Amino acid sequence: GAGVSQSPRYKVAKRGQDVALRCDPISGHVSLFWYQQALGQGPEFLTYFQNEAQLDKSGLPSDRFFAERPEGSVSTLKIQRTQQEDSAVYLCASSLLGQGNSYEQYFGPGTRLTVT
Amino acid sequence: DAKTTQPPSMDCAEGRAANLPCNHSTISGNEYVYWYRQIHSQGPQYIIHGLKNNETNEMASLIITEDRKSSTLILPHATLRDTAVYYCIVRRAPGGSNYKLTFGKGTLLTVNP
Repeated sequence: GAGVSQSPRYKVAKRGQDVALRCDPISGHVSLFWYQQALGQGPEFLTYFQNEAQLDKSGLPSDRFFAERPEGSVSTLKIQRTQQEDSAVYLCASSLLGQGNSYEQYFGPGTRLTVT
Repeated sequence: DAKTTQPPSMDCAEGRAANLPCNHSTISGNEYVYWYRQIHSQGPQYIIHGLKNNETNEMASLIITEDRKSSTLILPHATLRDTAVYYCIVRRAPGGSNYKLTFGKGTLLTVNP
């Protein structure tokens, strides 16, 4: 079956613009995660959904970042008024079970956001 | 979750075994050792995990020392496609709020022809 997909793969935004990044998790997966990966660093946790409920948003860097998963499948990460420090790869991951009960997380290819 | 220490880079000849070390001296009894890798321009990929026994799957073997303070990921016959950043992660047993993966900088393994 298909893995986690993300779109767009690349996004260039001018400073101050709003962007929306999409994640299609593996069908049936309960948990969905967003991570941010700066150049040369490992991914850092942003937020976690169990079905449609956002259970943890402790990693979101500011109130300009907003994530949703309204029907418990596709998720969108929105960044308002983008800043240069938002430039990074945004990774989405899903896992089969809720509450972190899965051993594996399956990652998408990421969206590379460049803010100019 | 316990902190891990990995060398920033390693080289390996194609066809030879790649042995990637990881130190996790503050690991506690209910924490697992996970390995993920990230090939250039791709998302991380799960490789293997273990608690205290050695583990093997189709991708790799994981050797955990008896005191659990360090581990080694072994790719038995490295290929060029194994060139990637390898992350060693310590994580409590799945369940409850133990859903986050905390990545360090990992080890860049370069497999040379």
